Amino acid sequence: DSGVTQTPKHLITATGQRVTLRCSPRSGDLSVYWYQQSLDQGLQFLIQYYNGEERAKGNILERFSAQQFPDLHSELNLSSLELGDSALYFCASSVGTSGGLVEQFFGPGTRLTVL
Amino acid sequence: AQSVTQLGSHVSVSEGALVLLRCNYSSSVPPYLFWYVQYPNQGLQLLLKYTSAATLVKGINGFEAEFKKSETSFHLTKPSAHMSDAAEYFCAVSDVQGAQKLVFGQGTRLTINP
Repeated sequence: DSGVTQTPKHLITATGQRVTLRCSPRSGDLSVYWYQQSLDQGLQFLIQYYNGEERAKGNILERFSAQQFPDLHSELNLSSLELGDSALYFCASSVGTSGGLVEQFFGPGTRLTVL
Repeated sequence: AQSVTQLGSHVSVSEGALVLLRCNYSSSVPPYLFWYVQYPNQGLQLLLKYTSAATLVKGINGFEAEFKKSETSFHLTKPSAHMSDAAEYFCAVSDVQGAQKLVFGQGTRLTINP
């Protein structure tokens, strides 16, 4: 158990819908990262937040957005869902943000299926 | 831009045999390198990381990796495979400076034959 929790574990929805994925980082971790794992794209970095502020952005679609709240949990919002958004979404957390040195701890993921 | 290439999407070895999973990176400066393991229906777990302290890095579960700058490689090895090593393995790279995002390879699925 990494200490990172993600809810829900599974999510099944229809095209055009909007969903929210939730992540609680390890106690004391200030950074939260979101990754998408799909069969065709592999594991891709989406976005990073540090202590409530966006720190880095990757291949995140405009239909997707994220935020980190004062209690440090984070939510990833996916809207106007398409079939291709079906994937496993991972959240990771780390203590700080010192140039790639600190270890990222991954949650168990949320499996999103868009029908 | 940084990138990672894992040679072989599937590797199959016999129990007790040497495990060798290949990873080559592309980076303008020496990066930080990582190996993660993903067991079925689980998240990623860090096996080991290279942060320039030593070129031979030992990790958990008997795995180790050697950083070779001249070959831009960071191959993962284990002398003797166990059935419990069956999983998907990911090599990843991140910046020494700046953003901490991990750039992952496509993954290698390791199968252990009894």
